Order: sequence, then C-alpha cells, then structure tokens
Amino acid sequence: SQQGEEDPQALSIQEGENATMNCSYKTSINNLQWYRQNSGRGLVHLILIRSNEREKHSGRLRVTLDTSKKSSSLLITASRAADTASYFCATDALFFNNNDMRFGAGTRLTVKP
Amino acid sequence: DGGITQSPKYLFRKEGQNVTLSCEQNLNHDAMYWYRQDPGQGLRLIYYSQIVNDFQKGDIAEGYSVSREKKESFPLTVTSAQKNPTAFYLCASSPSLAGSYEQYFGPGTRLTVT
Repeated sequence: SQQGEEDPQALSIQEGENATMNCSYKTSINNLQWYRQNSGRGLVHLILIRSNEREKHSGRLRVTLDTSKKSSSLLITASRAADTASYFCATDALFFNNNDMRFGAGTRLTVKP
Repeated sequence: DGGITQSPKYLFRKEGQNVTLSCEQNLNHDAMYWYRQDPGQGLRLIYYSQIVNDFQKGDIAEGYSVSREKKESFPLTVTSAQKNPTAFYLCASSPSLAGSYEQYFGPGTRLTVT
C-alpha cells in the first residue's frame, strides 16, 4: 500500500523555471525523503526531512514539511534539462516498523531546453 | 568504488521457470531491500533484511524468496508461483533502519517473462 501520493503526476516546464511537486500522506510519520529516478535507472536520494523540521535546503532544492496537513513539497529552482526525471517521496509511519518505507507513484518532470 | 550492484541489467525467462536476481553491496550496510516497480508506478516492497540470516516480508512477498547468508549479498528468486513477474526490480541498502537513513539503490534489473 502506498503512503505518499505525489501531485501532479506529470509536470512540464521550460528550462529556467521553478518546479514544485507535492506529496501527501495519510498517517503520522517519523521522516520523509525525496528521491529522483532517471528513466530506467535506480533511485537517488535527494533530501531527508524529519517530522520536527519544517524546511530543508540542498543546492537548488528546497523541501518543506507541514505535519498538520500531512504534506510536503519539493521545489527545484532554476530548472535545467538535466533535472528531467521522476521524483518520489517516501515516508515511514510513526509507530510502525521503521523498515516499512512507503513510496508514492511519483511526479514525472520534463524540463524543456 | 563503494556502491550497490545488480546483475544482470536485462533478464528474459520463459513462464514456469524460477529466476534469481543478484544484489551485492560493499557499503557495509546492515539493511537491504528488494522493490518491484511497474510502468508509471511507485516502488512496492517485496522483502527486506535488517541483518544476516534474517529477513522479513514486505507488501508483495508472494511468489518471491530471498536469502541473506552474507552481509553484502541479498539475492531475490522470482518463482514460478509469481503470477505477473515481468517488472523492473530494484535492490537497495541502508546503514540501518530505513526511515532514519537514506537508501542507496542499485541500477535495477528488468525482468521479462514470456
């Protein structure tokens, strides 16, 4: 069963624009992670945000977490064609087995040059 | 180079045959995982192992089996009992419990069963 659900399912923007992807989840969590997947490849970890954190930055990436709304967003600023990939959020439910990570279905981002 | 490897990249099998997918890591991670990904879908957890000689079923373990005889190796067998085995299989590892640590993923094995 999927815990996180990304929105939108697909996003197409021009190079240089910002891209925002959202993740909603159902149960309380310990941590939320964002991953990137290039077509036909493995996933690459981007950012981990803990339930007591509200915002984290890494280069052009900004992640926010709103535990009251059970949602997170990933912002990619000044996007590049190389950012074209699928982006997934993954959550681990509070009080459940910590190995029980749940991945959403992902947002497919296309950045046009 | 530290990392996690999966082989082969592409695998073709006839229906009714068992097939074993390899996953090796040299990151000295305790925890290892197997996921299945179908087109346009997220990842679904098949099995995970927190320590050598121990493993737990995930959401979709039926038709699959694993072993963890060595810390660095976590092979997955897709048995003939798996009704729809064609998929992209991803192996991952993490230092310990998944939620608190990032997972490191292999490049994946695309299995096609006809």
